[in-house]
Amino acid sequence: GENVEQHPSTLSVQEGDSAVIKCTYSDSASNYFPWYKQELGKRPQLIIDIRSNVGEKKDQRIAVTLNKTAKHFSLHITETQPEDSAVYFCAASYAGSQGNLIFGKGTKLSVKP
Amino acid sequence: EPEVTQTPSHQVTQMGQEVILRCVPISNHLYFYWYRQILGQKVEFLVSFYNNEISEKSEIFDDQFSVERPDGSNFTLKIRSTKLEDSAMYFCASTNQGGGTEAFFGQGTRLTVV
Repeated sequence: GENVEQHPSTLSVQEGDSAVIKCTYSDSASNYFPWYKQELGKRPQLIIDIRSNVGEKKDQRIAVTLNKTAKHFSLHITETQPEDSAVYFCAASYAGSQGNLIFGKGTKLSVKP
Repeated sequence: EPEVTQTPSHQVTQMGQEVILRCVPISNHLYFYWYRQILGQKVEFLVSFYNNEISEKSEIFDDQFSVERPDGSNFTLKIRSTKLEDSAMYFCASTNQGGGTEAFFGQGTRLTVV
């Protein structure tokens, strides 16, 4: 089955700096890769997703890149703000499946003012 | 904006007791899921449900677990005889078209087994 590895487990940056979180997946059939932000005690919320037919997607300060050959994808947050502090999870699934997501272990991002 | 709702928000139960966690998925969604998150760990897939039957389940979803859609709106997870290690946050989620589409998560039920 699919396995998703995520690094780093914790990341601390200064406000205004960029943050990068990386994930690798094992199943070459996976073709949908969402990123979720989870604040303490709350539900995971989708912040951006990418499908395997594109290599990069941007939404304001957030971008995701995908390298299908290497089977890895990354989340980039620019101009970080204290409210970006949260746990970020990457996930993978196969678009032809029932949609169950396999998650990475999460990255705790701390943005220091 | 439509959202997935879960009840209760927190459930405390004695070991060996049965619990039922309830979810109301988004009304026009067709695929439903339960996930589990042990405190401080990753979100783990338990089961997916489509067309009134289980479509996939993980190794975690053993004979102690069952799911049901008793009516047109509710989706439930039953744990028959709870164990201490069942203590976790349980999230319900739903999607419109299954794989490759956004999964909307409920706010979770924190289950504490004592």
